[in-house]
This record gives sequence, C-alpha cells and structure tokens, in this order.
Amino acid sequence: AAGVIQSPRHLIKEKRETATLKCYPIPRHDTVYWYQQGPGQDPQFLISFYEKMQSDKGSIPDRFSAQQFSDYHSELNMSSLELGDSALYFCASSFTRLAGGPSTDTQYFGPGTRLTVL
Amino acid sequence: GESVGLHLPTLSVQEGDNSIINCAYSNSASDYFIWYKQESGKGPQFIIDIRSNMDKRQGQRVTVLLNKTVKHLSLQIAATQPGDSAVYFCAESYSSASKIIFGSGTRLSIRP
Repeated sequence: AAGVIQSPRHLIKEKRETATLKCYPIPRHDTVYWYQQGPGQDPQFLISFYEKMQSDKGSIPDRFSAQQFSDYHSELNMSSLELGDSALYFCASSFTRLAGGPSTDTQYFGPGTRLTVL
Repeated sequence: GESVGLHLPTLSVQEGDNSIINCAYSNSASDYFIWYKQESGKGPQFIIDIRSNMDKRQGQRVTVLLNKTVKHLSLQIAATQPGDSAVYFCAESYSSASKIIFGSGTRLSIRP
C-alpha cells in the first residue's frame, strides 16, 4: 500500500539559512499534519491542513510556515534556521470523514526528514 | 513484563512472554486514542486505536485497554518477538482532523 512520502530524507543547513520540507500524503487523504521530534523526545505537533486550509496550529515558530497545495501535498518552510531546529520532522496524513461521522481518523506517518543545522 | 509508562521508560521482557505497556493520558475530553511503534530513525507506525465509547479492542497479537475513569491506557503484546523491540508511544486526540498529543514513549527491549 502507498505510504506518506517525505523529501528530502536528510538535510544539512547552516544557521540562518532556509529549508523546505515536502510531504506527499497517502492517495485520497485530505488532511496533512506536521510534527517535530527532538532527540529522545516525543513528536510535537506543529501545524495541520484540511482541504488546503490550515485546520490547527501548535508550537510552530513564527519563522516557520506551511501550506497545502491543490494536489494535497504540503510544504514546510523554515527560515532563519537555529541550532535548536535540528530534529526529525514528520508528516502524517489522514482522511477526514464528513461532519456527523466518526471523530478523528487514523494518522499515518511518513519516514521523516532529518534536519541538521550546523 | 509490565511498565508504569511515564515513570519507567524502559521495559525488558523475555522473548515469548507477554508485554504490557501502560500510559496515563491527560485530557478528559480526548475521545480517540492510538498506540504507535517507532523504530530508531523511522516514523511512528500505527499499531492499534480505540475510541472513547469502547474499553477494549483487539488486533493481531495486540490488545488495547482504555479506562476512562482513571484516564489510563494500556497496550498488551502477546508472545513478544525480537521484532517488537522499539519505542512505543500512546497518543490522544479529540474531534475530527485534530492533532495528536503524544505521551512519553516506553522503550521495549526483548531478552533472548
């Protein structure tokens, strides 16, 4: 079965540089989530999109922005990178049922992008 | 073997034994709970989920138990195998298209 695709898998940047992470959800999934996982920590929610509109926002720095495109893929843009941004960044996707249906659908995670800021 | 989740981040069990991983969740409004398995350097892999209108759900070799009264979740793995070695996260969510809040993981290691 097709899974969530993330690119690149590894990225090395210098401080103050910018980075763009891409996520391609499972086909027919309409909701995309971004999570950040620091070393030895649990994943922390950053932001999500449903049908190309931002649906929720977590602890995402103002230096980061994201969007979901018409083909449902999403990009996380990170500017003025700091050493503390070094982490694994995961994208997850789900299919959100129509209003009135069962709540919350399973989020399936991609393999992640390992970002290292030097 | 059994863990107390947040306070014992590592659980070591004998191969073939049953494993029980415990988790306390935080939000009484959460209505959807998930267990994920994460191997080193990989993304969280869905294992099993349960909605708040249930107290038990079984999958292949795994069972999730939910006790809403004390906000407790557990994952039971039958006949633990070497391939079960990983960090296991419980997670909670509420409403549709909602973020997942992960609990602190428990590392499961298997003794031969």
